[in-house]
Amino acid sequence: GQNIDQPTEMTATEGAIVQINCTYQTSGFNGLFWYQQHAGEAPTFLSYNVLDGLEEKGRFSSFLSRSKGYSYLLLKELQMKDSASYLCAVRGLEGSSYKLIFGSGTRLLVRP
Amino acid sequence: GAGVSQSPSNKVTEKGKDVELRCDPISGHTALYWYRQSLGQGLEFLIYFQGNSAPDKSGLPSDRFSAERTGGSVSTLTIQRTQQEDSAVYLCASSLGNANEAFFGQGTRLTVV
Repeated sequence: GQNIDQPTEMTATEGAIVQINCTYQTSGFNGLFWYQQHAGEAPTFLSYNVLDGLEEKGRFSSFLSRSKGYSYLLLKELQMKDSASYLCAVRGLEGSSYKLIFGSGTRLLVRP
Repeated sequence: GAGVSQSPSNKVTEKGKDVELRCDPISGHTALYWYRQSLGQGLEFLIYFQGNSAPDKSGLPSDRFSAERTGGSVSTLTIQRTQQEDSAVYLCASSLGNANEAFFGQGTRLTVV
């Protein structure tokens, strides 16, 4: 089966650092994605990891360990506008299907 | 186009009517995905296209739902005899291939009254 787990909610303080974890079990692996979704809006692409290690992009970094089925999204210098849901998604391979499977999302609240 | 485009952005329909939702992927993107998101919920996979073929239709909720893609580009999701539980935001995403980033359109908010 396919399963993606991430915490439901997290709270952090403006200016701080927060790490959102994601664990997965999928049929095959062809990349892990992180998306940001503000309420009432479509998901916005943040990062894509296909190899192990850390990918840094400004205030956001994403880490992947394929052997552990584990990823995290690191947000630095938190701003109020970072309050949103963060979605972890894995592109698996089942037969000839490379569908993207999403976790339920982590709702992040940034407080002053 | 510059991004994934979906139309209409909002659709209100009466129970029992058919609706068509359209997705224009980014030019050249071969992979296309449809998802459904109910209020406060996660993204529910519906169907995946590679070119004009749909290797995975496993997420379509019932035989009232169908989708096609023509010319390796535009895709249409059709819901027949809509029900109130079909009310949701329908999201489309595309990617250049199966080893590339996937980008979403703004979605179609469907309300069945």
